[in-house]
Amino acid sequence: DAGVIQSPRHEVTEMGQEVTLRCKPISGHNSLFWYRQTMMRGLELLIYFNNNVPIDDSGMPEDRFSAKMPNASFSTLKIQPSEPRDSAVYFCASSYRQGSNQPQHFGDGTRLSIL
Amino acid sequence: DAKTTQPTSMDCAEGRAANLPCNHSTISGNEYVYWYRQIHSQGPQYIIHGLKNNETNEMASLIITEDRKSSTLILPHATLRDTAVYYCIVRVVGGNEKLTFGTGTRLTIIP
Repeated sequence: DAGVIQSPRHEVTEMGQEVTLRCKPISGHNSLFWYRQTMMRGLELLIYFNNNVPIDDSGMPEDRFSAKMPNASFSTLKIQPSEPRDSAVYFCASSYRQGSNQPQHFGDGTRLSIL
Repeated sequence: DAKTTQPTSMDCAEGRAANLPCNHSTISGNEYVYWYRQIHSQGPQYIIHGLKNNETNEMASLIITEDRKSSTLILPHATLRDTAVYYCIVRVVGGNEKLTFGTGTRLTIIP
């Protein structure tokens, strides 16, 4: 079975540019999560969705970050404008059925470098 | 969610059982214990989870103490590919679904 699919795997762009990260969750999963990993802060949740609706966005650093989930099989995380401090690995995860004990499954991440 | 405490690092000889401890003394009745690992440059990989009974799957065993204040992840026959950072996470079911990752245990399998 296909796991969580993220694209691109690597992104290098200049400061000020718009960056869009994409995620396709596991089919049938109805919760989707965006995490960010840095050396300084470790792995931290940015936002998560249940049934395509944002539930907790308290981890989104600032207004430059936005996330959408237009349907059950696709989500985007956008940074506009990007800054060097946004450089990190961004992971998407999905899980089956809100409120259950089912685990989250992670993609391989997008390694983002802002120059 | 309850806080967890894990050793910073551990070594284990290849072929031996790796036993990774986790303390979660403030765990509440509706919180599950989840274990993930992260191999360099990859996304976190789910290993196993449990509430109060011991659990076993094809990857590992999870032993939870009777008072639920601590647990041990057991990799029965460690291989070099098990070298990774292992995270013990406690999460309430039915509430906020986020996983709060600590610093984990860096497990190194020695040939």
